[in-house]
Amino acid sequence: AQSVSQHNHHVILSEAASLELGCNYSYGGTVNLFWYVQYPGQHLQLLLKYFSGDPLVKGIKGFEAEFIKSKFSFNLRKPSVQWSDTAEYFCAVYTYKYIFGTGTRLKVLA
Amino acid sequence: KAGVTQTPRYLIKTRGQQVTLSCSPISGHRSVSWYQQTPGQGLQFLFEYFSETQRNKGNFPGRFSGRQFSNSRSEMNVSTLELGDSALYLCASSEGTDSSEAFFGQGTRLTVV
Repeated sequence: AQSVSQHNHHVILSEAASLELGCNYSYGGTVNLFWYVQYPGQHLQLLLKYFSGDPLVKGIKGFEAEFIKSKFSFNLRKPSVQWSDTAEYFCAVYTYKYIFGTGTRLKVLA
Repeated sequence: KAGVTQTPRYLIKTRGQQVTLSCSPISGHRSVSWYQQTPGQGLQFLFEYFSETQRNKGNFPGRFSGRQFSNSRSEMNVSTLELGDSALYLCASSEGTDSSEAFFGQGTRLTVV
């Protein structure tokens, strides 16, 4: 069965620290990959997406992700986090439906 | 343009009752998907409607059903509520193609007591 694994459930960082959130998926076919963010009290918002082409994709708010097909991974990165990045982050694969990872709660300390 | 609107935002129901949740997608979007979000299980796919037809279905019991109207608005119904149905129910609207981005509503928080 298709699945998405996010290895870090809770991450705490200080402002200006670098961030990398891991995401691995299991699906043998062509996939569309997404990272969504859910800020406290707000709805899910798209951070970035990968369909094809350059495996390094850039999203909003300075986030980027790298698709490594051989590792079935789509890790999210940000060079320097801010307090406002405190949120829950979801990796997702879209085949005919979205399959979400369990999410990573990021807390950035000011 | 207006985003995805879900009503009501909060609901408290008693075990055994039924509930109907509503979702108005972004204008022009023909696909509406429903997800259940719980702390233990995360986001789980319930079903997707496209042009008034259920196109895909997740692994939920038959107590969970839905429909879509000609204006793309969708409703989700849960009958014979159980305590475990307490969750945030999210609706996502999209154009309905494989590469289309989903836009999520703020959800309906259902509490079953």
